[in-house]
Amino acid sequence: TQLLEQSPQFLSIQEGENLTVYCNSSSVFSSLQWYRQEPGEGPVLLVTVVTGGEVKKLKRLTFQFGDARKDSSLHITAAQPGDTGLYLCAGALQAGTALIFGKGTTLSVSS
Amino acid sequence: DAGITQSPRHKVTETGTPVTLRCHQTENHRYMYWYRQDPGHGLRLIHYSYGVKDTDKGEVSDGYSVSRSKTEDFLLTLESATSSQTSVYFCAITDPGRANYGYTFGSGTRLTVV
Repeated sequence: TQLLEQSPQFLSIQEGENLTVYCNSSSVFSSLQWYRQEPGEGPVLLVTVVTGGEVKKLKRLTFQFGDARKDSSLHITAAQPGDTGLYLCAGALQAGTALIFGKGTTLSVSS
Repeated sequence: DAGITQSPRHKVTETGTPVTLRCHQTENHRYMYWYRQDPGHGLRLIHYSYGVKDTDKGEVSDGYSVSRSKTEDFLLTLESATSSQTSVYFCAITDPGRANYGYTFGSGTRLTVV
């Protein structure tokens, strides 16, 4: 059973389009993180959200943590080819415990 | 200034042989993790360590062992490699004492068992 469900699994869009990636669970998480991974490299942390309802912005990326701390979303505005990569959500059930990862969303942005 | 390095980056080994992967960090972080990444499964936790000589099992620990004799090194051993252990292995470090802590990952080891 996958504790964190990510959708969609694959996303192929044109430069300039907007998109949203979802990360859902039936469990409550102490915190949720989003990572981006490029081929041949390890994941790189984008953001950590810890408070229900929290919204964080990183340039064109907006991250939201659900009020009940069971879900999160990543919204990219005006996608660029440089946004191409694998986006992973990960959560900690309790502070200090190992992260559980979703299966990821592969994003391809073409010019 | 990578802070975390994995070696080797690539390895091909035969079924039944033991294999050891190394993770080295220069950040003095207490927590270290080994994950494997497979298509359709995402990242799955193998073992982790919360200090020297303190280790515990993760979700997919069967067939793997770990050792941590120094803060900076975390070794993953495949006791008798099988084809199902063909995967990309990632080491990660973190310091839970920091606010909004995140993992720093190594660049991975691609292991092929033939």
